[in-house]
Amino acid sequence: GQNIDQPTEMTATEGAIVQINCTYQTSGFNGLFWYQQHAGEAPTFLSYNVLDGLEEKGRFSSFLSRSKGYSYLLLKELQMKDSASYLCAVMDSNYQLIWGAGTKLIIKP
Amino acid sequence: IAGITQAPTSQILAAGRRMTLRCTQDMRHNAMYWYRQDLGLGLRLIHYSNTAGTTGKGEVPDGYSVSRANTDDFPLTLASAVPSQTSVYFCASSDSQGAGELFFGEGSRLTVL
Repeated sequence: GQNIDQPTEMTATEGAIVQINCTYQTSGFNGLFWYQQHAGEAPTFLSYNVLDGLEEKGRFSSFLSRSKGYSYLLLKELQMKDSASYLCAVMDSNYQLIWGAGTKLIIKP
Repeated sequence: IAGITQAPTSQILAAGRRMTLRCTQDMRHNAMYWYRQDLGLGLRLIHYSNTAGTTGKGEVPDGYSVSRANTDDFPLTLASAVPSQTSVYFCASSDSQGAGELFFGEGSRLTVL
């Protein structure tokens, strides 16, 4: 079966750095996506990786290792507004997105 | 403002009733999707449409139907609601099938009693 694993919850301090991991087992691979979802709101797109390596976008970076079935989202200089759930999703061989359950990130002052 | 509009935002429904969740987008996206989101689970695809006039079944299609008469509208119908359909429903769109950047509506919170 297809499976996306990510931690249920993480806590970090304002101004610090946090890494949210995602491991996957899917039927084929056509890219990995990270979305941010604030409580009670819709998910919004953060990043896309299809090749191995690091993609940087401001305070957020996303890393992919296809051979290990592994990705992480790195958030730097954490702000209170970064408190949200972070969803990892993989596009399989049928071009369907398979979603993880999300990681709830709590930022403390 | 461009985007996706869902209605209603929230609804309480008696079991056995018929319900249609509406979804309209103005981005001229070809592909549209309906997901449900339940606590502790990832988003699960109910139905999708790659282009106007075509629809397909997702991971959890039972009890739901959709139609795609034009590019902009993609309603989701629960023919006879059951309590297990209590969930938050998100409509989403993308430029094309296989585009992983999805644009989501604000969600419809449905409670079936």
